[in-house]
Amino acid sequence: AQKVTQAQTEISVVEKEDVTLDCVYETRDTTYYLFWYKQPPSGELVFLIRRNSFDEQNEISGRYSWNFQKSTSSFNFTITASQVVDSAVYFCALSRDDKIIFGKGTRLHILP
Amino acid sequence: EAQVTQNPRYLITVTGKKLTVTCSQNMNHEYMSWYRQDPGLGLRQIYYSMNVEVTDKGDVPEGYKVSRKEKRNFPLILESPSPNQTSLYFCASSLRVSSYEQYFGPGTRLTVT
Repeated sequence: AQKVTQAQTEISVVEKEDVTLDCVYETRDTTYYLFWYKQPPSGELVFLIRRNSFDEQNEISGRYSWNFQKSTSSFNFTITASQVVDSAVYFCALSRDDKIIFGKGTRLHILP
Repeated sequence: EAQVTQNPRYLITVTGKKLTVTCSQNMNHEYMSWYRQDPGLGLRQIYYSMNVEVTDKGDVPEGYKVSRKEKRNFPLILESPSPNQTSLYFCASSLRVSSYEQYFGPGTRLTVT
């Protein structure tokens, strides 16, 4: 069975601090895809990144970076120099070709 | 503008009164899906469709029906809503299969009394 665990339910940090959101997944598939989505207070769901199981290169996009480690089945997300606008719920997700499984989300509060 | 639309955005109804939430996308996407979001439970997949006339159950399909007669539309039907179906519902689409980035609709907040 597939499973995604986001153990951090809620995190609060002060603006400009770095913060890492953890995501651990379980799957027996050799081909799979991992995602992060952001849900700001306005409620919409916004795609952040997609990574396939054969690509373990870390990704950086501005202040955002992702660390994919198959050895530990983790796909962690780091925000560097956090800003108030980063306050949101962040979801990690795992998919094959048909179904997709989301984690329960981590609510991130960036305090000014 | 590329988008996924859902209607209605808000709905309050009573137990047992059939309702349909519409979902439409204008991106010619093959894959469409419905999710419900509940506090502490994240997003859970209800049904998905790989293409026209091809639908399958997600993790929480009980009490829901879907159809995919046209590529752009994927309505969610609650034949006899119950209070435990009170939730925030999202429709999403992606180019092909779930392994592509999904585009989400704005959400429908449903309350069943």
